[in-house]
Amino acid sequence: SAVISQKPSRDICQRGTSLTIQCQVDSQVTMMFWYRQQPGQSLTLIATANQGSEATYESGFVIDKFPISRPNLTFSTLTVSNMSPEDSSIYLCSVSRGNTEAFFGQGTRLTVV
Amino acid sequence: DAKTTQPPSMDCAEGRAANLPCNHSTISGNEYVYWYRQIHSQGPQYIIHGLKNNETNEMASLIITEDRKSSTLILPHATLRDTAVYYCIVRVTSGYSTLTFGKGTMLLVSP
Repeated sequence: SAVISQKPSRDICQRGTSLTIQCQVDSQVTMMFWYRQQPGQSLTLIATANQGSEATYESGFVIDKFPISRPNLTFSTLTVSNMSPEDSSIYLCSVSRGNTEAFFGQGTRLTVV
Repeated sequence: DAKTTQPPSMDCAEGRAANLPCNHSTISGNEYVYWYRQIHSQGPQYIIHGLKNNETNEMASLIITEDRKSSTLILPHATLRDTAVYYCIVRVTSGYSTLTFGKGTMLLVSP
């Protein structure tokens, strides 16, 4: 298994501002992913965080809105930029070691007012 | 990845077995069946996965039909802490593959 620490666990932000969410894993992992879970909905993949290169974004998500960094094999950040109330969601970090099951952090609950 | 169909909700009495069905009629030969659950306000938790044989671990059992078009997750003695949304996901595990979450089944375990 993998122990995943996400910070902050929750935040309330003003519209137009940006928030950076951190994901720290207790050991090196091959893959790191960021998901969004809107209120009452299932999880949607935002992007795959690639170590040493640009993230791979899913349809409907763009780098200008959700810039992602992954400087090494245990750490990644997701920034939610120029926030609006529609960005209010839970943002989850997930990791995987190649062909194994994925593990999830506890999520960051974001409310934009 | 193949699409899955699950009932939106199910009820179970505490101490009884919870049997959660999943249909995946378009599953390919190299796709596995994965189960995750999400307890309220927590991240999803891996439960079990299988290809074609039945699987059992400390959390649950997974029964896959011979034609692999459906499966059942069994929680043998459900407790109140098993109340969660259960997701059945079909995924190719050879190589890089992400998880596509459907709506899942909301299991409510009652006293």
